[in-house]
Order: sequence, then structure tokens, then C-alpha cells
Amino acid sequence: AQSVAQPEDQVNVAEGNPLTVKCTYSVSGNPYLFWYVQYPNRGLQFLLKYITGDNLVKGSYGFEAEFNKSQTSFHLKKPSALVSDSALYFCAVRQGGYNKLIFGAGTRLAVHP
Amino acid sequence: EPEVTQTPSHQVTQMGQEVILRCVPISNHLYFYWYRQILGQKVEFLVSFYNNEISEKSEIFDDQFSVERPDGSNFTLKIRSTKLEDSAMYFCASSRPPDTTNTGELFFGEGSRLTVL
Repeated sequence: AQSVAQPEDQVNVAEGNPLTVKCTYSVSGNPYLFWYVQYPNRGLQFLLKYITGDNLVKGSYGFEAEFNKSQTSFHLKKPSALVSDSALYFCAVRQGGYNKLIFGAGTRLAVHP
Repeated sequence: EPEVTQTPSHQVTQMGQEVILRCVPISNHLYFYWYRQILGQKVEFLVSFYNNEISEKSEIFDDQFSVERPDGSNFTLKIRSTKLEDSAMYFCASSRPPDTTNTGELFFGEGSRLTVL
């Protein structure tokens, strides 16, 4: 079965510094990988995805993610963090048909002024 | 921009009562899902629905749960006899079948918070 792991419960970053939120995956075949963000008391918003092609994927709000096949990773990055980026971030992998997503446990990002 | 809408935003119920959570998916989407999230933790898959039938369900989705698409727009989740552990945020999502122009990412509603007392 496909799965993703987010090894960090929380990531703390100072505003203006680069941020990385880690995700590793375990899949059979080609992975379809996604990042979603959840702001407090809100639903999940799609940030970006990797299906095929360039390993560096750009998404919403200045986020990008790098697909690394040898390390089975799909880390989320941003060159300069904003306080407003503070939220819960979920990595996800598609499993089976019908576009079903399996989510990681989530990483809480806290950006401090 | 089209969005998935869910009602109610919050429902409080007594243990053993029936609850129906409602969702209006994006109009040209064909795949529908329910997920739940307990206390801001992991987002867990419950069920997927396509062509008027369940395409897949998780272990969580036992006989107390059912889904229905009663008309062309609504997609509902029913919990027949709620338990304390059903307290969670329930998210509806929808997607288009993947094709050459999209890869079928899920679009989520804002969620329905269920509190079982």
C-alpha cells in the first residue's frame, strides 16, 4: 500500500528564513504526491503536486517541493517564510483508483516574527 | 472559483442519535469523498463514491455509516447511531477524473464539526 511519512510534528522558523517541511513516501510504481495546507478551523487547501516531469514543482503562495526518487522524499520548501505561513501542512499520496489520497500525520509550521 | 460547500458547520448531538452531514461538491466533479479529522490530527479516509455507488471504504466506515447522493447536487454522510468517538471534523471532497488537463487533485470543503455528548 502507498504511504507517506512526515517525521516532524512541528517546525519552527523565523520570518524571512527558508523553511523545509519533510515528507518521505513508500509506493509501488510511480508516485503521485501532493501537499495540502490547513489553516486554523479551515478545510484543506491544495498547494502543489508531483505527477511526472521536473523534480522541482512550484505551487501556490511561493511554495515549492522537490521530488527525490533516490531518497524517496518530497520535501516542501519556501525561500523566505512569512508569519502567515503558520499552519498545518499535510503530505499525501494517491492510492488506487478514484484519486483517493492517503495523508501523512501532518506537520505544524510555526513562523515567528 | 467553484468550491465544495458543507452544512452544518457545527453540530452537537447526543450519543445514539442519527446525524446527517451534507455536502455540495463542485458541479463538474464525478468523484466524491468523506474524510475525518479528530482534534486537528491526521486526516483519515472514510469513503469514496462514484457513479452512484461506493468505490472504496476504510475500516472506519462500518455499518453505522452510509453515504448517498439523493439528487444531482448533494452528497450526504449519515451516521446512524453516534458514539462519543465519532466526534471529529468531517470533510467532504470532490475531484474530476484525471485526464490530459488535470491530475485529479481533491478539493475540500471547510468541514462539519460533529460533537457527540
